[in-house]
Amino acid sequence: DVKVTQSSRYLVKRTGEKVFLECVQDMDHENMFWYRQDPGLGLRLIYFSYDVKMKEKGDIPEGYSVSREKKERFSLILESASTNQTSMYLCASKPDWNQGRPQHFGDGTRLSIL
Amino acid sequence: GENVEQHPSTLSVQEGDSAVIKCTYSDSASNYFPWYKQELGKRPQLIIDIRSNVGEKKDQRIAVTLNKTAKHFSLHITETQPEDSAVYFCAATIQGAQKLVFGQGTRLTINP
Repeated sequence: DVKVTQSSRYLVKRTGEKVFLECVQDMDHENMFWYRQDPGLGLRLIYFSYDVKMKEKGDIPEGYSVSREKKERFSLILESASTNQTSMYLCASKPDWNQGRPQHFGDGTRLSIL
Repeated sequence: GENVEQHPSTLSVQEGDSAVIKCTYSDSASNYFPWYKQELGKRPQLIIDIRSNVGEKKDQRIAVTLNKTAKHFSLHITETQPEDSAVYFCAATIQGAQKLVFGQGTRLTINP
């Protein structure tokens, strides 16, 4: 069974702080994704990566960056946290870049920016 | 780019009745349509998916139908049970594309 692990379930940070959200998957998946989930807006893609050191912007990349130094780990970075980044953040991974395959999600990190 | 609209945003049905959630997509090149269920405080989990070469797929009480001409697909849950209460998300993707585009979600409540 695929396991996607996010380092924190709950996180509270202050405005202006640099925040790191970590995600690790154990299935050697090429593709990894970061979403934010807000009520009534569904899941919106922030960034994704299809290989080590490769990244592409999703639909809402502003204010975020990512890092993928190892295949199993994908980090989301809030360069200078703001209150409008308070949200649920979900990481996902997927194999087979060229085929329709489901994504597997982590449990999420509920981030509050004060 | 692809856009997915999902309706209704909330749905309340009596236990034992059927529930239907509908999604429309904009890009005719989309060819993979998964459905995810997210229980309160838990991760989204795939419950069923369909590819564009199939019009309908069924798994026990859950079925998905796809109308490529109209660019919409629907989730059908029959004989609903309390454990079906959750938020359901539809999504669409284009062959060769890694990313999914999600609908806004439907909060389904099953009333005993």
